[in-house]
Amino acid sequence: EAGVTQFPSHSVIEKGQTVTLRCDPISGHDNLYWYRRVMGKEIKFLLHFVKESKQDESGMPNNRFLAERTGGTYSTLKVQPAELEDSGVYFCASSQRWGQGHYEQYFGPGTRLTVT
Amino acid sequence: AQRVTQPEKLLSVFKGAPVELKCNYSYSGSPELFWYVQYSRQRLQLLLRHISRESIKGFTADLNKGETSFHLKKPFAQEEDSAMYYCALLNAGNMLTFGGGTRLMVKP
Repeated sequence: EAGVTQFPSHSVIEKGQTVTLRCDPISGHDNLYWYRRVMGKEIKFLLHFVKESKQDESGMPNNRFLAERTGGTYSTLKVQPAELEDSGVYFCASSQRWGQGHYEQYFGPGTRLTVT
Repeated sequence: AQRVTQPEKLLSVFKGAPVELKCNYSYSGSPELFWYVQYSRQRLQLLLRHISRESIKGFTADLNKGETSFHLKKPFAQEEDSAMYYCALLNAGNMLTFGGGTRLMVKP
């Protein structure tokens, strides 16, 4: 079974540019999460999809960040325009059905974003 | 608000020595706690969760609600245990809150 995949593994862009990160969850997983770790800080929650719907986007830092999950499969996270403080590692995770109990979140390898 | 604190950024021990990675939390509800591990060049993976009360790779962790702690322990550290360890709390909305992480270095 393929794990959670993320693309690209590393992105270097200039301040003001746009970057789109992609996450492919494990097949059949309804839940998809985005987290990020900026330099020297904790891994922080950004948002949670259940299928194609945003269940919780309380962690999104501002309106420069836009996440989508059309069709309830893969997800994209767009940063437009990127700022220096957006640099960090963006993780995606997925877990099984939403409902009774909590299921293990499986993490992708992360995308390292560097804004110069 | 929920919070997870790992007071040690780095813990260095010799092979065979006992290991304890500290984790304290604050949460108004009934906590569900996890330890995640990230080995060099690998992705973050679940090590253990408090509800299963199991031992994985020799590691155990006991939830102490009185002290709001979930410390990770291993009686005899191995070199292959060297990694970043993250304590995390899962809230009712399935959101994980992570501590800052502790880098464990096991020296030969």
